[in-house]
Amino acid sequence: SQKIEQNSEALNIQEGKTATLTCNYTNYSPAYLQWYRQDPGRGPVFLLLIRENEKEKRKERLKVTFDTTLKQSLFHITASQPADSATYLCALPLGGGYNKLIFGAGTRLAVHP
Amino acid sequence: NAGVTQTPKFQVLKTGQSMTLQCAQDMNHEYMSWYRQDPGMGLRLIHYSVGAGITDQGEVPNGYNVSRSTTEDFPLRLLSAAPSQTSVYFCASRAGDRVGGYTFGSGTRLTVV
Repeated sequence: SQKIEQNSEALNIQEGKTATLTCNYTNYSPAYLQWYRQDPGRGPVFLLLIRENEKEKRKERLKVTFDTTLKQSLFHITASQPADSATYLCALPLGGGYNKLIFGAGTRLAVHP
Repeated sequence: NAGVTQTPKFQVLKTGQSMTLQCAQDMNHEYMSWYRQDPGMGLRLIHYSVGAGITDQGEVPNGYNVSRSTTEDFPLRLLSAAPSQTSVYFCASRAGDRVGGYTFGSGTRLTVV
């Protein structure tokens, strides 16, 4: 069955460094992949979408890569700030209609001053 | 523009009781979904809808019913609550004319005792 894996251990980094989070998937070939941010007690917030024919996408300090051969996406936050501390979720569509979006369990990022 | 509104925010049920979690969006989005989020398991898709009158099952549909009589509303019904349904429930929506991110509500925290 299809599976999405994100590092369950929290990522702790110093302010100003680049944070890199990983999303791996198995047993299918999604047409796109999404990343969301979730703060405690709140719903996820959409950040970026990258399509299978795009190797890289950027938005301000965020960069996402999508390697369909490795079945992996990397999510980078450059010049990280304490305000970037949150849980980051990756999500992929399941099925040909792309209406069923399934999520990884998320990785918690803590940026320390 | 309220986005996605979920009510109630908190609810305690006794085993065997039924209830309806409400979800409304004012963005004229075609696609709507219900997720539950449990610690360490991420978001799991319960049911989804691609438009008024059309619904389908997600990853964990058992014990839940949905209907979509209007574009705006997508209620989730628990027929006979069980302790295993203790969770945080999120409703989400997105426009149907393009692939894009979902807008999530703020969630309903449900406890079944």
